[in-house]
Amino acid sequence: RKEVEQDPGPFNVPEGATVAFNCTYSNSASQSFFWYRQDCRKEPKLLMSVYSSGNEDGRFTAQLNRASQYISLLIRDSKLSDSATYLCVVKPNAGNNRKLIWGLGTSLGVNP
Amino acid sequence: DGGITQSPKYLFRKEGQNVTLSCEQNLNHDAMYWYRQDPGQGLRLIYYSQIVNDFQKGDIAEGYSVSREKKESFPLTVTSAQKNPTAFYLCASSNPSGGAKDTQYFGPGTRLTVL
Repeated sequence: RKEVEQDPGPFNVPEGATVAFNCTYSNSASQSFFWYRQDCRKEPKLLMSVYSSGNEDGRFTAQLNRASQYISLLIRDSKLSDSATYLCVVKPNAGNNRKLIWGLGTSLGVNP
Repeated sequence: DGGITQSPKYLFRKEGQNVTLSCEQNLNHDAMYWYRQDPGQGLRLIYYSQIVNDFQKGDIAEGYSVSREKKESFPLTVTSAQKNPTAFYLCASSNPSGGAKDTQYFGPGTRLTVL
């Protein structure tokens, strides 16, 4: 089983749609969780960290389910500019090791 | 503006040559990282450094070398021993002592093509 797994998609949705991505992780001791966004041929950029209580930033909502070992990202009222690849990222260890484990990404296309 | 810079943006190299990719940050971050990304694959960690004068191998260090003589700089050398060096190389940094200690911030990347 991969350490971090995502549905690669592509997800193609119309503008205004609500879309949700899930990501599962294998290490139950994982400490920190993130969603990054990567545009074609660009660097990844932090979209949001994922907290145990869930968190929201505008149209984006992230949730963590430790019991089932998955995190989710919900995008409401999709915009054309949301078209990108969304990367699920997990820090698997406690302590000073700063290594992160990166999912392969889920591709989203928002169509007019 | 604070950030991470990588140069050059595009780099072409002949087979058998070593090449050094630059990464500089003015975020005052202690930790720095090098990743490579290939089409259809996730980010793979090459080397990372948590403090000046110290660095650790990542998952795919063979054929690469790094140095960390200054906090701001973490250059990556792709040696002729790297069998498949054509890729997109990304440098990142993080601030382990800060509030968002695991969040990594990326430079714009260098696309290396071996001819």
